[in-house]
Amino acid sequence: EAGVTQFPSHSVIEKGQTVTLRCDPISGHDNLYWYRRVMGKEIKFLLHFVKESKQDESGMPNNRFLAERTGGTYSTLKVQPAELEDSGVYFCASSQETGSGGYTFGSGTRLTVV
Amino acid sequence: GQQLNQSPQSMFIQEGEDVSMNCTSSSIFNTWLWYKQDPGEGPVLLIALYKAGELTSNGRLTAQFGITRKDSFLNISASIPSDVGIYFCAGARQYKYIFGTGTRLKVLA
Repeated sequence: EAGVTQFPSHSVIEKGQTVTLRCDPISGHDNLYWYRRVMGKEIKFLLHFVKESKQDESGMPNNRFLAERTGGTYSTLKVQPAELEDSGVYFCASSQETGSGGYTFGSGTRLTVV
Repeated sequence: GQQLNQSPQSMFIQEGEDVSMNCTSSSIFNTWLWYKQDPGEGPVLLIALYKAGELTSNGRLTAQFGITRKDSFLNISASIPSDVGIYFCAGARQYKYIFGTGTRLKVLA
């Protein structure tokens, strides 16, 4: 089966611009998660979708971040306007069951805001 | 916010040596997981632990879920060059993972 796919793999944007990250989960996985790793720090939870519904967005840093999952398939994470501190690697993951059985992560999108 | 203390931060070892790393928390978790991240890739699940005291092996890897449910360790035996990477522990409560800061492992041939 195809894994979790993220696009783009790298993005360099200027402060104040908008960037949209995309995640295609494993087919049939209802649960989709976004995480972020800022340089040298731990990987932190951003939010969790079950199908198209946001179950938990407690980790979203602020209202410049907007995640969507229309139709319960792929998801997008938009940062608008981007700030320098948004730089990091954004990981998407998916799982079939809601639980702690281990997700499958994508390769991540490395975002650099200059 | 909640943190997991993962140590060591980095390790340089000779090929063939054994490696040990651990994670501790001030809070209890229902599940502990260990992931490995290679450069340019996402974390890949190595071992998942579901019960306090559980000891699980996956090839040369062995991990344990601490009795107190607040810690876990990962051992790698007879390291090889492809063991290079960043190892992350994660404590899980249902769907949400709390990750450690990672242990960067370098293996010298």
